[in-house]
Amino acid sequence: DGGITQSPKYLFRKEGQNVTLSCEQNLNHDAMYWYRQDPGQGLRLIYYSQIVNDFQKGDIAEGYSVSREKKESFPLTVTSAQKNPTAFYLCASSMESPDEKLFFGSGTQLSVL
Amino acid sequence: QKEVEQDPGPLSVPEGAIVSLNCTYSNSAFQYFMWYRQYSRKGPELLMYTYSSGNKEDGRFTAQVDKSSKYISLFIRDSQPSDSATYLCAMEDSNYQLIWGAGTKLIIKP
Repeated sequence: DGGITQSPKYLFRKEGQNVTLSCEQNLNHDAMYWYRQDPGQGLRLIYYSQIVNDFQKGDIAEGYSVSREKKESFPLTVTSAQKNPTAFYLCASSMESPDEKLFFGSGTQLSVL
Repeated sequence: QKEVEQDPGPLSVPEGAIVSLNCTYSNSAFQYFMWYRQYSRKGPELLMYTYSSGNKEDGRFTAQVDKSSKYISLFIRDSQPSDSATYLCAMEDSNYQLIWGAGTKLIIKP
């Protein structure tokens, strides 16, 4: 089955620790995105990538980093500089940005210990 | 003021009722309007996609856009318990970025 796989489903971070969220897609999509979802707020774009080895900051990139070494993979690292990392993180992909339909993974809930 | 406003609910209705979900927005440059459905702790999935003003129907779902009032709606006919979810509106700005509403939680009571 084609789709987007996010792992882990739940992740706990200790203070000062960097953690990495995995996102893999087998839809052959060019564009991939990371969103953050907080209660009572709309989805906010962290980073996006339209092509391998290239990515752009979204609205709330501070404290996060990404890489796009393969078309299928777009991991997100939440660094210790992100002081309020507790949120539901969603990875998405589309055939070509920006007008194509977004397909989302099932999300990763990150919490701080 | 947020660019996209959406009542968070929860909106609770009996099974079989017609549901109306709404978003208002402030940016007159928005051209594409989308409704996504999100089940608890899952990723959103696209329900409806409309361009500019007018209506679009797909089965039990109708999306309506009124650009003059900066108001979009999603109607669900013959609502089912399986429709219980959070419904997110999203709009595309001139930079091709999506601006999201906060979502309305819908509960359909059997």
